[in-house]
Amino acid sequence: SAVISQKPSRDICQRGTSLTIQCQVDSQVTMMFWYRQQPGQSLTLIATANQGSEATYESGFVIDKFPISRPNLTFSTLTVSNMSPEDSSIYLCSVDKDRVGYGYTFGSGTRLTVV
Amino acid sequence: DAKTTQPTSMDCAEGRAANLPCNHSTISGNEYVYWYRQIHSQGPQYIIHGLKNNETNEMASLIITEDRKSSTLILPHATLRDTAVYYCIVRVAQAVSGRRALTFGSGTRLQVQP
Repeated sequence: SAVISQKPSRDICQRGTSLTIQCQVDSQVTMMFWYRQQPGQSLTLIATANQGSEATYESGFVIDKFPISRPNLTFSTLTVSNMSPEDSSIYLCSVDKDRVGYGYTFGSGTRLTVV
Repeated sequence: DAKTTQPTSMDCAEGRAANLPCNHSTISGNEYVYWYRQIHSQGPQYIIHGLKNNETNEMASLIITEDRKSSTLILPHATLRDTAVYYCIVRVAQAVSGRRALTFGSGTRLQVQP
């Protein structure tokens, strides 16, 4: 099974600043995934983080804006840089492991509001 | 991953069965149907999955048509806590997928009414 601790759960930030979101998993996992969920929308994959290598970003997302670290098999961070109000979203991390062995586990999300 | 089509929203009376349909007419032979749900302010949660046989667990039942082009998730006795967005996802088995991320469509917003 996998349990994910994601923090902060929410934050209100000033435009132009950066926020780092942490995702801690209680067991080792190979891949970690970061998603963005804009208000009223579905989840959109930002990037895939594999320990020991550079994250792979989806179209429309760049490393300068969303740098990701993956220092070990249980931890990852996503930074939202130089924020603007358009970055106001819920950010979620996920791993391909769950208690029954078939599904993916998600963190509870970070609700970010940029003012 | 095969494309899926779900109704945008549905209502269900508390205590009644909620039947959530999903069309996946381009599904391949080795692709499974997965269902997740996202309760407000939480991350998505795995519900159930199946290949071609009907499946049941403690949360729900999954009915897949014989031609596998559509399926229905059934919550037998919906409660207010089942109010959520339900996502139908079609993809190869996790062990085969190479650890790719899940891709989410728009899902169905289920509102359980008291």
